Amino acid sequence: GNSVTQMEGPVTLSEEAFLTINCTYTATGYPSLFWYVQYPGEGLQLLLKATKADDKGSNKGFEATYRKETTSFHLEKGSVQVSDSAVYFCALRDNYGQNFVFGPGTRLSVLP
Amino acid sequence: GAGVSQSPSNKVTEKGKDVELRCDPISGHTALYWYRQSLGQGLEFLIYFQGNSAPDKSGLPSDRFSAERTGGSVSTLTIQRTQQEDSAVYLCASSLNIAWAGGNSTYNEQFFGPGTRLTVL
Repeated sequence: GNSVTQMEGPVTLSEEAFLTINCTYTATGYPSLFWYVQYPGEGLQLLLKATKADDKGSNKGFEATYRKETTSFHLEKGSVQVSDSAVYFCALRDNYGQNFVFGPGTRLSVLP
Repeated sequence: GAGVSQSPSNKVTEKGKDVELRCDPISGHTALYWYRQSLGQGLEFLIYFQGNSAPDKSGLPSDRFSAERTGGSVSTLTIQRTQQEDSAVYLCASSLNIAWAGGNSTYNEQFFGPGTRLTVL
């Protein structure tokens, strides 16, 4: 079956540090890939997405590239801010069903 | 426009009681999803509705859990004879159908509601 694996958290960084949160997936066909973010006390919201191989999703300084050869969709940001502290979820949606599969989430804490 | 709404925002109940959680999806969204998020955990898929198709119930943890979606819009998640391990945040999400353009499919993202925090004493 389909699955999403994320790096274990929590991740603690200082402000302006470089961020990478690894995400790899297992799926049949050509899934669409997503990163969702959940800020403290808020609901999940879409951060970025990519729908085919080599696509790059980007938003709010975050980027992720759909790498089919490594089945990965790693999230990166060049300089994190305290306001980026949140839980980040990697997710996929496959070609054959319309259900989503989420990773377990990675908690990021950015210290001033 | 209005997003996904859920009610109640918080529900405290006693073990053994039944509860109903409501989700109002974004108007026009044909897909509706229920998830459960336990403290510090990821999202656990519960059930998925798509239009008039039979729902995907593969994530429901036991026969105490059921859900329905009336008229293709509002959905209710019912938990019978609640147990303490049912305590969690229950999230609802909706999305549009797959869109096809030029032979390529575009998968629309889910929009999440704020969740219902259920506490079973």
